[in-house]
Amino acid sequence: NAGVTQTPKFQVLKTGQSMTLQCAQDMNHNSMYWYRQDPGMGLRLIYYSASEGTTDKGEVPNGYNVSRLNKREFSLRLESAAPSQTSVYFCASSEARRFSIYFGEGSWLTVV
Amino acid sequence: DAKTTQPPSMDCAEGRAANLPCNHSTISGNEYVYWYRQIHSQGPQYIIHGLKNNETNEMASLIITEDRKSSTLILPHATLRDTAVYYCIVRPIMDTGRRALTFGSGTRLQVQP
Repeated sequence: NAGVTQTPKFQVLKTGQSMTLQCAQDMNHNSMYWYRQDPGMGLRLIYYSASEGTTDKGEVPNGYNVSRLNKREFSLRLESAAPSQTSVYFCASSEARRFSIYFGEGSWLTVV
Repeated sequence: DAKTTQPPSMDCAEGRAANLPCNHSTISGNEYVYWYRQIHSQGPQYIIHGLKNNETNEMASLIITEDRKSSTLILPHATLRDTAVYYCIVRPIMDTGRRALTFGSGTRLQVQP
């Protein structure tokens, strides 16, 4: 059981480049999330999707877009990367009305 | 969601119990207390949750005060692998999953050999 899988694990981008972080879960969860974590800081919610076909902004959505492609997949896109987006990105999923959220292993992104 | 307050850091000797406190004085009657932890360079991991009764599972115990304004996560026999940042979070019972958890700064637990 793979749980939540994120790709890529490491990426270096130049300022202005675009890229998409992929996330897939195999637990049949309805809700999926994207968080970012800056060095020495707590997690901050970027976007979340309560169910297939719906997405909502979190605490820090600026500079990002998301797509809930189907129930399994939730992607995060940086259209024009900026150094301020250098961070570790975590995808997560949970069942609706359940209390535990399952996280992926993280994607380390550096924008130079 | 109710605000939580945790000490920024704590130390614990290996093999001893680690007691991590959390204040949530503005918690409302329909909110659960959750605990997660994050080991360095890994995604957060769910530990335990509770409403008003004490809870225990294979990882930890959760003690919630009678007035529900504070709680303590207990790792009964801490090991070096328990070194991590521990997050205390409150969340409503009737949550359809539309609202994500909000993580604060947590408590950095260092287990000493």
